[in-house]
Amino acid sequence: KAGVTQTPRYLIKTRGQQVTLSCSPISGHRSVSWYQQTPGQGLQFLFEYFSETQRNKGNFPGRFSGRQFSNSRSEMNVSTLELGDSALYLCASSFRQMEETQYFGPGTRLLVL
Amino acid sequence: KNEVEQSPQNLTAQEGEFITINCSYSVGISALHWLQQHPGGGIVSLFMLSSGKKKHGRLIATINIQEKHSSLHITASHPRDSAVYICAVYSNTGNQFYFGTGTSLTVIP
Repeated sequence: KAGVTQTPRYLIKTRGQQVTLSCSPISGHRSVSWYQQTPGQGLQFLFEYFSETQRNKGNFPGRFSGRQFSNSRSEMNVSTLELGDSALYLCASSFRQMEETQYFGPGTRLLVL
Repeated sequence: KNEVEQSPQNLTAQEGEFITINCSYSVGISALHWLQQHPGGGIVSLFMLSSGKKKHGRLIATINIQEKHSSLHITASHPRDSAVYICAVYSNTGNQFYFGTGTSLTVIP
């Protein structure tokens, strides 16, 4: 089975722009979660999608949003980028429940200038 | 306030040593995960625990729900074990994951 894939792997944007990141889960997995990792804050939970619905949400501002498609692929969008949004963005998939074993993608490294 | 505390932050060991990484948490949980992250960013889930103890090869993970504490042990450590180990708890009240800051392990040959 193919693992979790994320595109793009690297991205450079400027302040004020918006960005869309993509995640394809393992085949058959329906739960997709997104995380932000920075040197200062470590790993933080953004949100989780299941069956095209946002099921859980972390403590991030509304500039961070996401969606999930019927094939379980997910996208996350960050609008009005700030310098502090520079981070590694990871997605992970699990079969049904977020608390099950999660399989992580390689991440998208975003640099905001 | 950190919901998950890990110790130590950094650990250097000689090859073959027995290693213990500790994790304490303050929220109600339904599961605790131990994750391994190698340089470059890739994260692998090592264990998911809700009670007791699990073993996989040279790795052992334990959890004490009453004390809100978990440990990850590595027996006969090897340089390829060098990585950052992260404790993550799934809060059944907050319905989200909380993460420790990670333990950076270096095993010297």
